[in-house]
Order: sequence, then C-alpha cells, then structure tokens
Amino acid sequence: AQSVTQLDSQVPVFEEAPVELRCNYSSSVSVYLFWYVQYPNQGLQLLLKYLSGSTLVKGINGFEAEFNKSQTSFHLRKPSVHISDTAEYFCAVIPASGGSYIPTFGRGTSLIVHP
Amino acid sequence: DVKVTQSSRYLVKRTGEKVFLECVQDMDHENMFWYRQDPGLGLRLIYFSYDVKMKEKGDIPEGYSVSREKKERFSLILESASTNQTSMYLCASRDRGYSDTQYFGPGTRLTVL
Repeated sequence: AQSVTQLDSQVPVFEEAPVELRCNYSSSVSVYLFWYVQYPNQGLQLLLKYLSGSTLVKGINGFEAEFNKSQTSFHLRKPSVHISDTAEYFCAVIPASGGSYIPTFGRGTSLIVHP
Repeated sequence: DVKVTQSSRYLVKRTGEKVFLECVQDMDHENMFWYRQDPGLGLRLIYFSYDVKMKEKGDIPEGYSVSREKKERFSLILESASTNQTSMYLCASRDRGYSDTQYFGPGTRLTVL
C-alpha cells in the first residue's frame, strides 16, 4: 500500500513571492506522481505529472515539481505566485506496476496568496 | 474538450431520503470514480468502476452504492441519507492506463438536514 503526506495544510504567501508545496510519499514499488489543483467551487484539474525520465517536471501556469527518489518527495514550486493561484493543491501517487490501480491522494494544501 | 458533468451543483435532502448523484463523461473512458471531499480529510474514495457493470469498494463505501449500466454514466446512490453524509461529492473518469490523468467533474455539494 502507498501513502501520501502533504506536510502543510495551509501556506500563506504574498503575491510575486516564490512558493513550495511539499509532498512526501511511501511505497514499496515505483510510482507515478501527480499534482492536481482545485480552484474555488470547481473540480480538480491536472497541474503536472511524473511518469519517468527527467526528474524536473513542468506543468501549467508556471508550476514545476521535482521528483526525488531518495527522499521520496515530489515538491511543487512556483517562482512567483499570482492572486489567481489561490486554490487547494493535491498530491497523488499510484503504483507503476502491480498493486492497486487506484490513486492515493494527500489531504491537500491550501495556498492563499495575499496582495 | 474533455468533459465530466455532474447532475447537480447543490442538493438539499432530508434524513432518510434516497439520493441519486449522477455523473456523465464524454471521453469514452474505462474507469470512473466517486470521491467524497471534506475539509482536512482530502479526497476519500467511495467506489471505483473499471468497466460497465463492474465496481470495487473504496475506502468508505458504507451507506453508499453505485450503478454503471452504460460506459459514460456512473451513479452514486445514498440508500437512506444521513446528516453525516453532508459533504462535497466529486466524480472523476480516467482512461484505462494507471498513468493516465483523472478528469474531475465540478462536484455536488450535498446537504442532508
């Protein structure tokens, strides 16, 4: 079984500042990793995903994430946030082979961007 | 453009009522999911369907059932609604691969009085 920990439930930040949202996972097998974003009153949509290859993954809206296998982490970063980035962010993991084909989600991190 | 639609954005029901939440996807996806989202708890899987008429229980199936008679439609049924089922319900679909993206509907906020 796999698990996902999002270390911060809430991250307040000023507009144009950099931000990092942290995600750690545990799994006995290789995994695929995802970040989803949920804007207010909407469903989730994919920001980016890591399947294989380069450990630095670029996504939509200027976000990127780095897969670190030794630290079992997949932290999400943006160098300069905008008010419109205020949303809930979810990290998810799924085994790349065998096991369950159902994604496991973290509890979410609420990013609050202040003017 | 990919689309997952849910029958209602907001729903208010009384305790003991039978409640149907409908989800439709237009992408010919194999897999469909029902999640419940509560503050501080993230997304919790209620049921998963990997094909028509096929279903698997998720983490919190008690008090819920599902129906998938057609590929594009996945229904969540609350047999006898209770106040602790007040929540946001999210439907998602995914093509058959594990690495494929899930596409989510806008959610149904259900209040049970």
